[in-house]
Order: sequence, then structure tokens, then C-alpha cells
Amino acid sequence: QKEVEQNSGPLSVPEGAIASLNCTYSDRGSQSFFWYRQYSGKSPELIMSIYSNGDKEDGRFTAQLNKASQYVSLLIRDSQPSDSATYLCAVNIANTGNQFYFGTGTSLTVIP
Amino acid sequence: EAQVTQNPRYLITVTGKKLTVTCSQNMNHEYMSWYRQDPGLGLRQIYYSMNVEVTDKGDVPEGYKVSRKEKRNFPLILESPSPNQTSLYFCASSFGTGSRGYTFGSGTRLTVV
Repeated sequence: QKEVEQNSGPLSVPEGAIASLNCTYSDRGSQSFFWYRQYSGKSPELIMSIYSNGDKEDGRFTAQLNKASQYVSLLIRDSQPSDSATYLCAVNIANTGNQFYFGTGTSLTVIP
Repeated sequence: EAQVTQNPRYLITVTGKKLTVTCSQNMNHEYMSWYRQDPGLGLRQIYYSMNVEVTDKGDVPEGYKVSRKEKRNFPLILESPSPNQTSLYFCASSFGTGSRGYTFGSGTRLTVV
């Protein structure tokens, strides 16, 4: 079983809609959770981090963490064509030292 | 400008010819790490370093070496590259133990023929 799992997509949403990206993780020792955005041919860019249960909002982005269910999600409100990218979920699992595990990413396309 | 700098951006080499990919950060980060990214497999950690002279294996360390003699530099060494090491490589750094998330370098696309 993979440590971090994401639907690969592709996910398509119309401009202005809400895009919802989901991620599950296997290790209950996971402490830190991250969402990265990666444009084609570019390096990943950190857009959200979340450490405790609940929601965390930053502009059009909201990260949601539910440790009991072992999932973390990212909502993108008012989606724009510039949001079209691959979104990577990452977790830091405490009992493996300081190893980070990434999901394989969800490809998002925002249709104008 | 705060950044992680990797060189080279692109590299084509032959099997068995030793190579080094350099990584340097100017943010005084303690934590540095190397990843490779392959289609369908995502980002996989090769090695990481918590500070100078402290390194540890990630998920896929076979065939790679690293060193951390200075805080800013974390080179990745392939002593005898093989075609299965053809991949996109990223260096990343972070404050502390990495729990604040990474800053990634621009990547190195390596092809071993």
C-alpha cells in the first residue's frame, strides 16, 4: 500500500467553479501535510501546509485535514485557467525520521 | 533572491561515467533532500540531510551518493550511472526538520544511454 494516494485525474472544471482535490495517507503517525502545485516542466511549488484537524484558508485555497479518516483535501474556489497544473499531496511521517512521501499527483484542467 | 540552484538543467551521459549534480541554497536551511520524479511513480526521496555531515537514506538510495560538507551545498553523485537512473531530479531545502515544507530547485533532467 502506498503511503500517500491521490486520484491521478485528469480533473476538469469550468472557470469559476470549485475544484476539489483529495488525498489519503496510510500512516497515522503523519504529522505535517502539504499541497504543492507543479506546472508542466517546472518544479513543485508549496501552496498550502496544514498540521491540525480542520480547515485552513489562504485566498482561494482551503486545505482540509481529517486525521481520524486519514485524508487531506484541497479546495480551489473561483478556479482560473492559470490553476491548471498537477497538484501533489505530501506528508511527513514522524516515525520514519524526516522522510516525506508524495502522492503521484492529480492533474487539474480549468476550462475557460 | 531566496532560491535553490541546481546544475546542470539537462544532462545526457553514458552508462558508467561518473557524474555529479550540484545543489546550493542561499536560505541558510538546515534540511536538504534529493528526489527523483518518474511518470506514474511521483516524487521519491533519494537521500536527505538534517544538517552538515548528517545524511540519511530515503526510499530509493541505491546507486546514489551524497555529501553535506557545507550547509549550503548538497551534491548528488552517481558513481556508475545506469539507464534506469534516467529521470527528473529535484533538490529541495527547508528550515528545521522540513516540517514547514520545501523549496525546490528547478530540476535536472538526466538521460543515461
